Amino acid sequence: NAGVTQTPKFQVLKTGQSMTLQCAQDMNHNSMYWYRQDPGMGLRLIYYSASEGTTDKGEVPNGYNVSRLNKREFSLRLESAAPSQTSVYFCATGTVSGNTIYFGEGSWLTVV
Amino acid sequence: QKEVEQDPGPLSVPEGAIVSLNCTYSNSAFQYFMWYRQYSRKGPELLMYTYSSGNKEDGRFTAQVDKSSKYISLFIRDSQPSDSATYLCAMSEGNTPLVFGKGTRLSVIA
Repeated sequence: NAGVTQTPKFQVLKTGQSMTLQCAQDMNHNSMYWYRQDPGMGLRLIYYSASEGTTDKGEVPNGYNVSRLNKREFSLRLESAAPSQTSVYFCATGTVSGNTIYFGEGSWLTVV
Repeated sequence: QKEVEQDPGPLSVPEGAIVSLNCTYSNSAFQYFMWYRQYSRKGPELLMYTYSSGNKEDGRFTAQVDKSSKYISLFIRDSQPSDSATYLCAMSEGNTPLVFGKGTRLSVIA
């Protein structure tokens, strides 16, 4: 039982390149989330999906797109990476009520 | 004013000390309160969950919620070096995404 699996764990991108962060969960939860974590800023919500087929913007959605591929998978895409997107990205999953969520191990992204 | 305020620390205590971590919030509609623990270069893990006001105890950990003061606390008794981590508070109205504090970095010195 892996819980929440994120790939890749580490990535270095050049400014303007695109990439997709993948997330899969085997906890059978409906809701999935993407957060970024920066020093001094805490966890900030980028996008979330309350259920399969729906997505909503969070606090910092600009520069990102998401796809809820099915109940298990939720991907985050950077279309044209910028140095300001250098961060640690966490995928999470939880119940519909969103009262408790469970995180993956993180993806470290550096944009140069 | 941010919805959730949390002192970032760092907080350094000797082994065996009682640790008190706190968060304040402004949204009176919050009714679900959580504490997460995050070790360096790892994802946050759920530590404690509390609904509405009151106390909840789990081993060396006690979570308290005072909704009248919009104040939540996490107490760690007999702290151990393995408790060294960043502790994040989080809260929700219910059916809405969690709102996190920025985290308090704790070091327990042997």
